[in-house]
Amino acid sequence: QQQVKQSPQSLIVQKGGISIINCAYENTAFDYFPWYQQFPGKGPALLIAIRPDVSEKKEGRFTISFNKSAKQFSLHIMDSQPGDSATYFCAASPESGGFKTIFGAGTRLFVKA
Amino acid sequence: DAGITQSPRHKVTETGTPVTLRCHQTENHRYMYWYRQDPGHGLRLIHYSYGVKDTDKGEVSDGYSVSRSKTEDFLLTLESATSSQTSVYFCAIGTSWGNEQFFGPGTRLTVL
Repeated sequence: QQQVKQSPQSLIVQKGGISIINCAYENTAFDYFPWYQQFPGKGPALLIAIRPDVSEKKEGRFTISFNKSAKQFSLHIMDSQPGDSATYFCAASPESGGFKTIFGAGTRLFVKA
Repeated sequence: DAGITQSPRHKVTETGTPVTLRCHQTENHRYMYWYRQDPGHGLRLIHYSYGVKDTDKGEVSDGYSVSRSKTEDFLLTLESATSSQTSVYFCAIGTSWGNEQFFGPGTRLTVL
């Protein structure tokens, strides 16, 4: 089973700081890399996603950085807020292969006020 | 969670009993998925469907079966529940042309 390794397991950041979560994958056929955000008692929600033809994608305070040669990608949350406290999952899948999506184990982020 | 509902939201059952979880979508998406979520394991695919009556196994399918008789409904059945199936179960939907998945609110199942 191809894995997606996510780190750290948990993260505590001060309000206004930068939260960084990292993921590494093995399968070079993966070409869609989403991040999901999950609040307690809720289902995961797509936050932001990237394809390997670009090295960075930014949406508001959320940025994905992608390093194809290293097979790594990361989520950066700028100006972290208490409302960002949630569990974040990275994932990877091949083109048009949603059923082949592999999820990371998740990172629990807590932003201190 | 818009467009996807799961029922029941919570269930406690005993070992050996059959359990059926229901996922209902109003988005008319082709793909539907059942995942289980356990601490330290992220989300693991149980079964998925790519159309009415078309289903296939995922990574952790043992002990589970599914059915899809209508586009909008995808049922997950535990024929004889075991304590190892205590988990949070999520249904997701996806389009044919993309990899995006949209998740339901989840069902927390406890098998005693």
